[in-house]
Amino acid sequence: DAMVIQNPRYQVTQFGKPVTLSCSQTLNHNVMYWYQQKSSQAPKLLFHYYDKDFNNEADTPDNFQSRRPNTSFCFLDIRSPGLGDAAMYLCATSRGQSRGSQHFGDGTRLSIL
Amino acid sequence: AQTVTQSQPEMSVQEAETVTLSCTYDTSENNYYLFWYKQPPSRQMILVIRQEAYKQQNATENRFSVNFQKAAKSFSLKISDSQLGDTAMYFCAFMKYNNNDMRFGAGTRLTVKP
Repeated sequence: DAMVIQNPRYQVTQFGKPVTLSCSQTLNHNVMYWYQQKSSQAPKLLFHYYDKDFNNEADTPDNFQSRRPNTSFCFLDIRSPGLGDAAMYLCATSRGQSRGSQHFGDGTRLSIL
Repeated sequence: AQTVTQSQPEMSVQEAETVTLSCTYDTSENNYYLFWYKQPPSRQMILVIRQEAYKQQNATENRFSVNFQKAAKSFSLKISDSQLGDTAMYFCAFMKYNNNDMRFGAGTRLTVKP
């Protein structure tokens, strides 16, 4: 089945130690998104790629970076995780200018020690 | 900026009964999309229903229907014949037409009781 896959489901890292979360999709969608979702809160958009074009949200900390080497994969890099970065990170995809429905992965829950 | 407000942090309903979740939004746009997403505990977020603002007819998907009031900027979700599997966090979301920036409300935690 076509889907959005996030690895790993759970990630533990140490304070200040760089960490990378990955997302892949078999939907061949143009757009890939990264959201941060803290406990019992709404997902907050960090950035998205429309094809190769990177679109950063104004309030996304510089600590958060992203890479999209090809259509299928997108990575979220956290350069120096702080305790406040512990959250669920959701990857989503959409076909772009297509009525907007987004398809979500299962998420990666990040813990900071 | 667009804002989405869900004024009910938590709700509960008895199995087989009907429940309505509220959502209001603020925008100056005329063309946009509205969504309800469901996020079950520890599971992925899935689309429940979608409404295009230019359509006057309310969207329906089986037991799920919306009451879209464009002038009032209101977009409520009605779940009929509630089932235990409907227990989840429900998020209302807004997106401008031809834009990839989706804004979510704070969510409503719905519990369906047997």
